[in-house]
Amino acid sequence: EAQVTQNPRYLITVTGKKLTVTCSQNMNHEYMSWYRQDPGLGLRQIYYSMNVEVTDKGDVPEGYKVSRKEKRNFPLILESPSPNQTSLYFCASMGTGRGEQYFGPGTRLTVT
Amino acid sequence: AQSVSQHNHHVILSEAASLELGCNYSYGGTVNLFWYVQYPGQHLQLLLKYFSGDPLVKGIKGFEAEFIKSKFSFNLRKPSVQWSDTAEYFCAVRPPAGGYQKVTFGTGTKLQVIP
Repeated sequence: EAQVTQNPRYLITVTGKKLTVTCSQNMNHEYMSWYRQDPGLGLRQIYYSMNVEVTDKGDVPEGYKVSRKEKRNFPLILESPSPNQTSLYFCASMGTGRGEQYFGPGTRLTVT
Repeated sequence: AQSVSQHNHHVILSEAASLELGCNYSYGGTVNLFWYVQYPGQHLQLLLKYFSGDPLVKGIKGFEAEFIKSKFSFNLRKPSVQWSDTAEYFCAVRPPAGGYQKVTFGTGTKLQVIP
């Protein structure tokens, strides 16, 4: 089954404690993205990747890091989380020449 | 830079009512347009898309959207909503040129259908 998986689905952490949210897709897609979803603000892109070792900033990259060492994986790293990063995070992938994105199930992060 | 406006933030309808959700975009060139749906507690799923050709696009679950280039609009419609259509709906736009092109999402419209 074609899918994008994320882990964990729920995470409560404290300010400053480094965390990683994993994202994996099994569709051999080149493009992957991370979004955060906040009430009234819709989806805002954090980072995206066009292929292995190629990443770039989206609209709200501050406080986040990403890496793309393998085509299928695109982890999101919060080196020192802060309460304003409390949000719902989605990973998405997209194939070459296509336009629609496939979204993961989301990770609800709470930073206290 | 491209942008997407969804003017209706929250819509409440009774079952069997007709639905129209507005979506306007700003971008000077050709675009690809999408509507995604997010059911409560779930991830976004593609409802329908427009790349080219017939401006009236039919999607899943009886939804359709009409691309009106002169109005920079891509409104979503359904003749008769059901309680199961309660969800948040997002319009999105993307330039169609080759390679990766940034997708911009609107802020979403929450639809509540009352039985």
